[in-house]
Amino acid sequence: GAGVSQSPRYKVTKRGQDVALRCDPISGHVSLYWYRQALGQGPEFLTYFNYEAQQDKSGLPNDRFSAERPEGSISTLTIQRTEQRDSAMYRCASSGNGAGQFFGPGTRLTVL
Amino acid sequence: AQKVTQAQTEISVVEKEDVTLDCVYETRDTTYYLFWYKQPPSGELVFLIRRNSFDEQNEISGRYSWNFQKSTSSFNFTITASQVVDSAVYFCALSGAVTGGGNKLTFGTGTQLKVEL
Repeated sequence: GAGVSQSPRYKVTKRGQDVALRCDPISGHVSLYWYRQALGQGPEFLTYFNYEAQQDKSGLPNDRFSAERPEGSISTLTIQRTEQRDSAMYRCASSGNGAGQFFGPGTRLTVL
Repeated sequence: AQKVTQAQTEISVVEKEDVTLDCVYETRDTTYYLFWYKQPPSGELVFLIRRNSFDEQNEISGRYSWNFQKSTSSFNFTITASQVVDSAVYFCALSGAVTGGGNKLTFGTGTQLKVEL
C-alpha cells in the first residue's frame, strides 16, 4: 500500500479483555516496529521484526504483551488481560533498508 | 543507554518569525542516526529528516534547516518564516547503527510549536 495502515483506529475495551492490534506495513519494507505513546510524551519502543523474525522485544512491558509477524508482512500486537495503564496510542512503523521509519496513524486504546 | 533531550516544552511565535527547536542527545555508539518527526494536531507522525552521524553537513529543505554539531551532541531544527501550518509537536529521535541492535528509535519528549497570526 501507499503507507502504513493500522486497525482499528480506536479501540475501547473493558479491563481484563484481550485486544489485538493490527499493522500493515509499506509494501516491501523489511523492518516493522511497534511503539507506544502516552499523552504528552514521545513514542517508546516496544518490539521490532526483520521479516518474520522478532529481533528485539526488550521494550514490551510484561508478558501480557506479545507480537507476531508470521509471514513477514502484517503484524499483530496482542495485549492480554488489559489493564487501565495499558491505555495509550499504539504506533507501528516500517522501514526499508535502514532508511527512515514511516509511521502509521496509530491505534488509540482505551481500557475502562 | 541512549537519551534525547528536548528542553523546550512549548514555543509560541508570530507568523513569519524564525524559530529554532533544540535537540541534545547522548549515545555511546560511534555510528548513529538522528531524526526529526512532526506530529500535527491530527496526530500522525510525519518523517522529516534522517541524518547519519558521519555527515555533519547542515541540510536545508525549503523553509526547514538542520544544524548537526557532533562536538555539542546537538541536532537543532530551524523553521524560517514560520507559518500557522507549522503548528505541531516536533520530536527529535536517535537510533543506533542498523547493523547493530537494529535502528529502534529513542524519542525526546517533544516541543509544542504554536504559530499565531
